[in-house]
Amino acid sequence: KNQVEQSPQSLIILEGKNCTLQCNYTVSPFSNLRWYKQDTGRGPVSLTIMTFSENTKSNGRYTATLDADTKQSSLHITASQLSDSASYICVVSEQTGANNLFFGTGTRLTVIP
Amino acid sequence: EPEVTQTPSHQVTQMGQEVILRCVPISNHLYFYWYRQILGQKVEFLVSFYNNEISEKSEIFDDQFSVERPDGSNFTLKIRSTKLEDSAMYFCASSRSDIGPYEQYFGPGTRLTVT
Repeated sequence: KNQVEQSPQSLIILEGKNCTLQCNYTVSPFSNLRWYKQDTGRGPVSLTIMTFSENTKSNGRYTATLDADTKQSSLHITASQLSDSASYICVVSEQTGANNLFFGTGTRLTVIP
Repeated sequence: EPEVTQTPSHQVTQMGQEVILRCVPISNHLYFYWYRQILGQKVEFLVSFYNNEISEKSEIFDDQFSVERPDGSNFTLKIRSTKLEDSAMYFCASSRSDIGPYEQYFGPGTRLTVT
């Protein structure tokens, strides 16, 4: 069964600290993996998209890693800011087509001053 | 920067009523999508639309749902007879392509509350 699991479910960190969010998936065959940031009451915004051949991708203070062998991904946030408070969603694509996007339930990150 | 817009931001309706949720995708995009997110749950795919017809739909997208692109800019989701369990955030998204790691751009969502 194609599933995407994320951990932790929620996380509270102090402003300026780093954190790492985890994503494990069982989606097969794998096409690509995306990380989205979703502010409360807003639509998801894409942070990174990685294909099978990519094992790391950065977008500013966000760095995603992918291990396609172990089917794990992580999102590392450096020097966190208050505006990083949001849900971070891991989405794995089985193949071309929107019906083949499998969403995780997200990690709720709260950055406190 | 172009963005996907949705109206209304919040819709309250009574059970059994019809609702139409509206979206304006990014102008040069060709693929359009609707997703929903029940409070506290994961985002779920509903339907994708290309070249004026449905290209994919999920099990959730039953006969109560329909989509339409009535003109060159709007993309609508209609729920014919709303149920309590239709209460959710509905997100519209668009993309230029659906091949490979295509980028999807999401709108801000419409919160639908069925009473």
